[in-house]
Amino acid sequence: KNEVEQSPQNLTAQEGEFITINCSYSVGISALHWLQQHPGGGIVSLFMLSSGKKKHGRLIATINIQEKHSSLHITASHPRDSAVYICAARKGGSQGNLIFGKGTKLSVKP
Amino acid sequence: DTGVSQNPRHKITKRGQNVTFRCDPISEHNRLYWYRQTLGQGPEFLTYFQNEAQLEKSRLLSDRFSAERPKGSFSTLEIQRTEQGDSAMYLCASSLPPPGLEQFFGPGTRLTVL
Repeated sequence: KNEVEQSPQNLTAQEGEFITINCSYSVGISALHWLQQHPGGGIVSLFMLSSGKKKHGRLIATINIQEKHSSLHITASHPRDSAVYICAARKGGSQGNLIFGKGTKLSVKP
Repeated sequence: DTGVSQNPRHKITKRGQNVTFRCDPISEHNRLYWYRQTLGQGPEFLTYFQNEAQLEKSRLLSDRFSAERPKGSFSTLEIQRTEQGDSAMYLCASSLPPPGLEQFFGPGTRLTVL
């Protein structure tokens, strides 16, 4: 069992839908990252959070430390949101290296 | 300096050859990380540097792999005697020291070993 698990693996949505991607982890963490990867490989950091909730535009990330669970929400989804979304955990005590989930491939249809 | 850069973007080589990749981090970032990503999987940690010191290495980093960051700026990752299983995307990221550990990723180098 991976230390970081994401669900679903694949997600297809219609433009405008509200999207939720889930991440569960089994280790103590000091922070959790949400990343976006487009075809061709480039990775963009969306959020780094250790508690509560963060919001950037249409993206919202939440984390529940007690339940070891985080969610990424996309409101009013758009075809340009189509990408792979990756959850990555920085272990407690670790000085920086990340443990990644396998990613959720999101496709938003017009 | 607009971000992390990596060169080359693509590398095709024959099995048994040596390859070297370069990563230039964001200039004020003293931490630099190397990851490897195979198709359909999330990235896996290889190693990281703080300035010129290599502080942690994954067991994935076999003795055919070596990474350096001689002056605490750019870093190189060399793979000797490449094998087909080395085919992957090699990602570099950089960050500020704690507490600013948000990592900024480069575009990656895609390696294909024939």
